[in-house]
Amino acid sequence: DSGVTQTPKHLITATGQRVTLRCSPRSGDLSVYWYQQSLDQGLQFLIQYYNGEERAKGNILERFSAQQFPDLHSELNLSSLELGDSALYFCASSVATADTQYFGPGTRLTVL
Amino acid sequence: GEDVEQSLFLSVREGDSSVINCTYTDSSSTYLYWYKQEPGAGLQLLTYIFSNMDMKQDQRLTVLLNKKDKHLSLRIADTQTGDSAIYFCAEKAGGFKTIFGAGTRLFVKA
Repeated sequence: DSGVTQTPKHLITATGQRVTLRCSPRSGDLSVYWYQQSLDQGLQFLIQYYNGEERAKGNILERFSAQQFPDLHSELNLSSLELGDSALYFCASSVATADTQYFGPGTRLTVL
Repeated sequence: GEDVEQSLFLSVREGDSSVINCTYTDSSSTYLYWYKQEPGAGLQLLTYIFSNMDMKQDQRLTVLLNKKDKHLSLRIADTQTGDSAIYFCAEKAGGFKTIFGAGTRLFVKA
């Protein structure tokens, strides 16, 4: 158990809908990262937050957004969902901005 | 640009050694990591090596780093069926980014 928690574990929704994925980092970690893992694209970095502020951006679509709250948990919002958004979404956390990342168990999103 | 490459598949017999290879491009990398992902689970940090080291051993795991060739390997001794998983190589590149490889799927045959 890495200490990073993610909810929900599974999510099934329809195209065009909006969902929110939640992540709680390890105790003491200030950075949160979001990744998307699909069969054909591998592990793709989406976005990183550090102590409430956006720190780095990867291949995140405009339909997706994230934020980190004062209690350091983070949410990833996915809107206007498409079939191709079906994937595993992982959250990771680290102590500071460039330290070792510890991953959560992931949320499996299925868009029908 | 920054890139990490790994072969996609490796198949070994139970009891043999497995060697998973990785190459990276950023010569300013400070840490290099190996993560393990079992089916349906998240990535679990297995081990890491600092860029000024050549080798690190941790029980059945041996990490070798050739900084000149930008080559990293993970050797698993006495491979067991429970070692079947996807293994990701990652480098902490310049700035805030950690770059992950595509993962090597290890199959262990009984």
